[in-house]
Parts: sequence; structure tokens; C-alpha cells
Amino acid sequence: EVQLVESGGGLVQPGGSLRLSCAASGFNFRNYWMNWVRQAPGKGLVWVSRINSDGSSTSYADSVKGRFTISRDNAKNTLDLQMNSLRAEDTAVYFCASGYQMDFWGQGTLVTASS
Amino acid sequence: DVVMTQSPLSLPVTLGQPASISCRSSQSLVHSDGNTYLNWLQQRPGQSPRHLIHKVSDRDSGVPDRFSGSGSGTDFTLKISRVEAEDVGVYYCMQGTHWPPTFGQGTKVEIK
Repeated sequence: EVQLVESGGGLVQPGGSLRLSCAASGFNFRNYWMNWVRQAPGKGLVWVSRINSDGSSTSYADSVKGRFTISRDNAKNTLDLQMNSLRAEDTAVYFCASGYQMDFWGQGTLVTASS
Repeated sequence: DVVMTQSPLSLPVTLGQPASISCRSSQSLVHSDGNTYLNWLQQRPGQSPRHLIHKVSDRDSGVPDRFSGSGSGTDFTLKISRVEAEDVGVYYCMQGTHWPPTFGQGTKVEIK
């Protein structure tokens, strides 16, 4: 069974940092591109970042470029998102999603940037 | 960025009746490889998104056949032949042809 389990969310002050993780199981993780997608409270889905299967290529939405860093460890089947200089507008549930077309999604982890 | 526009944004439906959601893109979604990477996702209340359909009309494993996708170029449609109670939620179209991937605003399906 394919599983993606996000962790690391929480309350952080604006300007602070947080590191999200996504643990993958049930599929050959090293063969898949991976994504982070976020959903602000009551709002729609917004793509945040993507990494290719071996981690050599990454891309970011303009809204997070220079502040967020995506990475992966294929030996541990984990995907990470390092979030720095957080802003109130980064408040959202963050989902990891597998595959270039986002075929499978985790349950999400809530990040709240507020003082 | 490619803008995905869904309509309607709210869709009250009677149980057992059909439902149809439109999705239009600001540019053609035909990829240089010949495929059209238009996906449909379902998000039930309180749940994470679930991928339903890829490449316009291919249902994912386990998706009931009452769900069907159609369209080409810039105009796409998701149809539910007979709405069931478990179909309540928000439906999103998503394009994966052009970078960055973009989503429609979502269509909320509810029971009348």
C-alpha cells in the first residue's frame, strides 16, 4: 500500500524556520519525482516545489523561491522541505505528492506562521 | 503560468442525478510528446486530495466508472453519471503539461 506521511508542522513566528518531512513507503520512491503542495485555510491547492527522482533538479514557485529548499534521501525514502523566513501568508496545510502528475498525496501537515 | 478556470464553483446535485464540471486552460495542454496532461482530483471534506483521472480520461485504479473525463486542447469536462453521497467534496482540475503545474479554483459538489 502506498503511503506518504508528512510531519514537522507547527506554530512558528513570522521570520522563523520549520522543516517538514514526508516518509514514503509502498512504492519505489527513488524512481519518482516528488512535490510539495499547500492549501491555505479554506482555499485551493497551490504547487510549491518539485524535485526529480535523484535529487539533481529542483524547482520552486516564485512565492517561495529563495526561502524554501526541497531535498530528498532515497536511502531513507524521505522528502524534506526546509522553510526559512516564514511569512503569515505561508500558513497552510502542506501536502507531499508523488509523481510528476501528483498521483498520490499524503494527509498533510499544518504550518501556522503567526505571532 | 497557465490559468485553469473551473465552472461552476458550486454544484448542488440530487442523489442519483448526473453532474458535470468544466475546466478551461489559458493555453493548449497538448505536450510536445503528444500527451495531454490534464488531471482531476477529488478532495472529500477533511481529507487530502485523491487523484481520480490522468491524461484527460484515464481513471486511476479503484475509481468508480461513474466518473469520466473528456476534452481536448483547452476545454475539459469531468462527469459523474449518478452522484452518490460519497462524491460530496471539492473537485480540482490540474495541468501538468506546462511548468509550473497549476490547479483550477475547485468546484464544490454538494447534495441538494
